[in-house]
Amino acid sequence: GIQVEQSPPDLILQEGANSTLRCNFSDSVNNLQWFHQNPWGQLINLFYIPSGTKQNGRLSATTVATERYSLLYISSSQTTDSGVYFCAVRGGGNKLTFGTGTQLKVEL
Amino acid sequence: DAGITQSPRHKVTETGTPVTLRCHQTENHRYMYWYRQDPGHGLRLIHYSYGVKDTDKGEVSDGYSVSRSKTEDFLLTLESATSSQTSVYFCAGGGGTENTEAFFGQGTRLTVV
Repeated sequence: GIQVEQSPPDLILQEGANSTLRCNFSDSVNNLQWFHQNPWGQLINLFYIPSGTKQNGRLSATTVATERYSLLYISSSQTTDSGVYFCAVRGGGNKLTFGTGTQLKVEL
Repeated sequence: DAGITQSPRHKVTETGTPVTLRCHQTENHRYMYWYRQDPGHGLRLIHYSYGVKDTDKGEVSDGYSVSRSKTEDFLLTLESATSSQTSVYFCAGGGGTENTEAFFGQGTRLTVV
């Protein structure tokens, strides 16, 4: 099946800093999503982005499907951005496969 | 949660007992998924469904079975619970052709003692 790797595994930022999270996948995909898992465990949809670029407020994402990676940008980070960020992909089959996540902590 | 409801939200059960977790959706998602989340492992797929009565195994399916007799409900059953099945279980709907984005329920924390 498809392998999904995320980097970095852990990240600590000062409030106001910018960051880039990366998701690499091993095969072509027709579905790629970014999720934020907040400290209460809830999985929140950030982007559905199998290709191209999208922006939502301070967050934006870019997927370069031909090169098999996606990037999530967080600008002007806030303490509420803390949590785990997951990417998930679906290839030719029906399985939605998750990466192991990036644990983000934003400090004052 | 985009119309995905899991029940129960918390459960403590004894080793060897059967347990059924329910996922109910109101969005007519074709695809539904069950995952478990454990420290250090992210979310791992247990089983998924691509239509009524159409199911398939994920990467950690041993000890679990599923059923989907109608579009709205996807049941996960632990036939004989073991301590290794203590985990947080998430259900998701969507991610298919007609509903390309997947949405998650709130999760069920299961403890097997």
